[in-house]
Formats: sequence, C-alpha cells, structure tokens
Amino acid sequence: EVQLVESGGGLVQPGRSLRLSCAASGFTFDDYAMYWVRQAPGKGLEWVSGINWNSGTIGYADSVKGRFTISRDNAKNCLYLQMNSLRAEDMALYYCAKGSSGSVSYYYMDVWGKGTTVTVSS
Amino acid sequence: DIQMTQSPSSLSASVGDRVTITCRASQSISSYLNWYQQKPGKAPKFLIYAAFSLESGVPSRFSGSGSGTDFTLTISSLQPEDFATYYCQQTYNTPHSFGQGTKLEIK
Repeated sequence: EVQLVESGGGLVQPGRSLRLSCAASGFTFDDYAMYWVRQAPGKGLEWVSGINWNSGTIGYADSVKGRFTISRDNAKNCLYLQMNSLRAEDMALYYCAKGSSGSVSYYYMDVWGKGTTVTVSS
Repeated sequence: DIQMTQSPSSLSASVGDRVTITCRASQSISSYLNWYQQKPGKAPKFLIYAAFSLESGVPSRFSGSGSGTDFTLTISSLQPEDFATYYCQQTYNTPHSFGQGTKLEIK
C-alpha cells in the first residue's frame, strides 16, 4: 500500500525554524516527484514546493521562497521541508504528496498524506 | 505566476442534479489542469488530470473539459458522497497554483 506519513509539525514562535519530514512507503520513492501543499485553517489549498526525482528541479511558492527549503533523501525514502523565519501566515496543515511521475511539472499529485500541523504563535 | 480562478465559490444543489464548476487560468496552460476533491477533515483526493482524464476508480459521472485558459468540471448526477470542496490546479509552470475552491453543498 502506498503511504505517506508526515511528521515534525508543532508550535513554534515567529521567526524560528521547523523541519517537516514525510516518510514514504509502498512505492519506488526515487521514481517520483514529491510535493508539499498547505492549508491554513478554514482556507483553500496552497502549493508550497515541489522536487523532482533526483532533486535536479525544485520549485517554490513566492510566499515561501528564500525561507523554505525542500529536499529529499532517496536512500531513506524521505521528503523534507526546512522552514526558517516562520511567520503567522505559515500556520497551516502541511500535506506531503506524491507526484505521478518523476518530473515536477505537467503531472499530478496522486497520493496524499494526512498532514502535519504547524502553529506559529508567541 | 499563473492565477487560477474558480467559479462559483459555493454551490447548493440536490441529489440527482447536474452541476458544472469552472476554472480559469490567467494565461494559457495547455491541458495541464487537474481537479481534486476534498471532504472535511480529509486530505484531498485526486479526480481528473490533463483536463479530462479520469483517475482510475473515479465514477464516470465526473467529467472534465477545456484547454488553454478555460476549464470545467461536471458532475452529471450528484450523489450524496459528492458533496465536498473541489479544487482545480495547474501544473504548467511552478508554482503549481490551485483555484480558491468550490464548496458544493446540499440544497
């Protein structure tokens, strides 16, 4: 069974950092692009970042560019999101999602995790 | 960046109704348009890719169409399990923006 399990969320003060992880299982991890998508409470979906199969192509939303860094460890079947300089507006449920191909663009997200919650508050 | 605009933002309909949700891109995205369904407290579920291709297992009452900048999601005969929020997403350019969502409610 294809499974994505996010972890690393929690309460953090504005300006501090947090690292999210996404453990993947049930598929050949290094064949597929991976993504982070977030959803603020009561709001819609926001695409945060995507990374292709070999980390050669990476994209970010303008709202997180320069503060967040996506990475992956294909040996560990794990996706990461390093979040620095966190702001109140970064507070959300963060989903990890599997791409339908190795490329970041042109395809879709076919499997989603259940998400991990990030709360930014002093 | 490409902006995605869905309409309507919310929609009330009855079981058996035919409903259409539209999604407009701020520039041409060819057919790189996906649709997702999200129910309260759940992760999104992928429905349609490349504007009109149904994911395996998605009921045939769902259909998608369009290309360029204008797209539609149609549900031909609403079932109780279809009441949810629907999002379009473009994957033509990063960032892969989503529409703001259309909440489909029971009338």
